[in-house]
Amino acid sequence: AQSVAQPEDQVNVAEGNPLTVKCTYSVSGNPYLFWYVQYPNRGLQFLLKYITGDNLVKGSYGFEAEFNKSQTSFHLKKPSALVSDSALYFCAVRDIGDDKIIFGKGTRLHILP
Amino acid sequence: NAGVTQTPKFQVLKTGQSMTLQCAQDMNHNSMYWYRQDPGMGLRLIYYSASEGTTDKGEVPNGYNVSRLNKREFSLRLESAAPSQTSVYFCASSGRQLAPEQYFGPGTRLTVT
Repeated sequence: AQSVAQPEDQVNVAEGNPLTVKCTYSVSGNPYLFWYVQYPNRGLQFLLKYITGDNLVKGSYGFEAEFNKSQTSFHLKKPSALVSDSALYFCAVRDIGDDKIIFGKGTRLHILP
Repeated sequence: NAGVTQTPKFQVLKTGQSMTLQCAQDMNHNSMYWYRQDPGMGLRLIYYSASEGTTDKGEVPNGYNVSRLNKREFSLRLESAAPSQTSVYFCASSGRQLAPEQYFGPGTRLTVT
């Protein structure tokens, strides 16, 4: 069965600094990996995905994520944080060939002005 | 193109009452999902449907039933609501292969007293 771990409940970053939100996963086969963002009282919005190919994937709002198969990680990154990036971020995994998608517990990102 | 719609947006039930949460998507997606979101628990998968006519249990299916009425619609039923089912419920749909990411509805905030 697949699983996702987001080891940090909260991450604080000063505006303009680079940010990283961590995610590790476990699947029996090959993974599809996703990052979503949730703003207060809203649904989840898709940011980016890894399916195959380049390990560095780029997504919306300047975010990117690096797939590392040996470390089973898919960390979300941004070179320069904005206050408007403050939100709840979720990592999710889907085993190729399966339709089940499992989410991590989420990481709250605070960007400090 | 409305994406994923959910009704109702808010609901208050008494313990033991029943209700059905409705979800519809207009993106011609095969797969549909129901999640619940609780503080500190992230999103937990209740049930999912890989295609019309099929449904499968997720991580927390107890106390719920689902119906995939047709390709567009996927409903979630609480037969006898309990306070532990107080949560925010999200419906999502997804495609396959090169576009396996999910699109989420706005959520239903359910309170069981």
